[in-house]
Amino acid sequence: AQSVTQLDSQVPVFEEAPVELRCNYSSSVSVYLFWYVQYPNQGLQLLLKYLSGSTLVKGINGFEAEFNKSQTSFHLRKPSVHISDTAEYFCAVSDNTDKLIFGTGTRLQVFP
Amino acid sequence: DGGITQSPKYLFRKEGQNVTLSCEQNLNHDAMYWYRQDPGQGLRLIYYSQIVNDFQKGDIAEGYSVSREKKESFPLTVTSAQKNPTAFYLCASSAPGTGHSYEQYFGPGTRLTVT
Repeated sequence: AQSVTQLDSQVPVFEEAPVELRCNYSSSVSVYLFWYVQYPNQGLQLLLKYLSGSTLVKGINGFEAEFNKSQTSFHLRKPSVHISDTAEYFCAVSDNTDKLIFGTGTRLQVFP
Repeated sequence: DGGITQSPKYLFRKEGQNVTLSCEQNLNHDAMYWYRQDPGQGLRLIYYSQIVNDFQKGDIAEGYSVSREKKESFPLTVTSAQKNPTAFYLCASSAPGTGHSYEQYFGPGTRLTVT
């Protein structure tokens, strides 16, 4: 069975600092990987996705993620965060079925 | 604009009452989903439907019911049998098997409070 682990429930960071949000998955088959962002009291918005090809994926709002098959990881990074990046971030995996398995989320708090 | 609408945004009910949450999409997606979100627990799948007139239980279906009479609509009923119904409910849709790679599109959510 698939699972997704987001190791950090909260990540505090100062504005303009770099950030990395960690995501590890377990699956015995090829996967599709996703990062979503959720602002307070809103739905989820897709940041980026890995389907195949280049392991470095660029998304919206300056975020990027790197797929590492040997470490079964898909960490999300941004070189310089803004106050407006404060939100909850979810990693998700699909094993080519029509369901996504979500991690428990990481709350990114950006301080001025 | 294409998208998913959920109504209402906030819903208050007394314990023991059934309540129905609305979800409509105009993306022409075949698959639709209902998730429940509680603090610190991420998203948990309640029900999903891959096609009209068919649906499957997710991980936490007890106390919930759904219908899928139209492609555009997937209402969720929270019944009085659901022991802890207060939560944030999210509806999503996707177009699996068409090259969209199972990406799900989400509505804005409904926050249900039962007292």
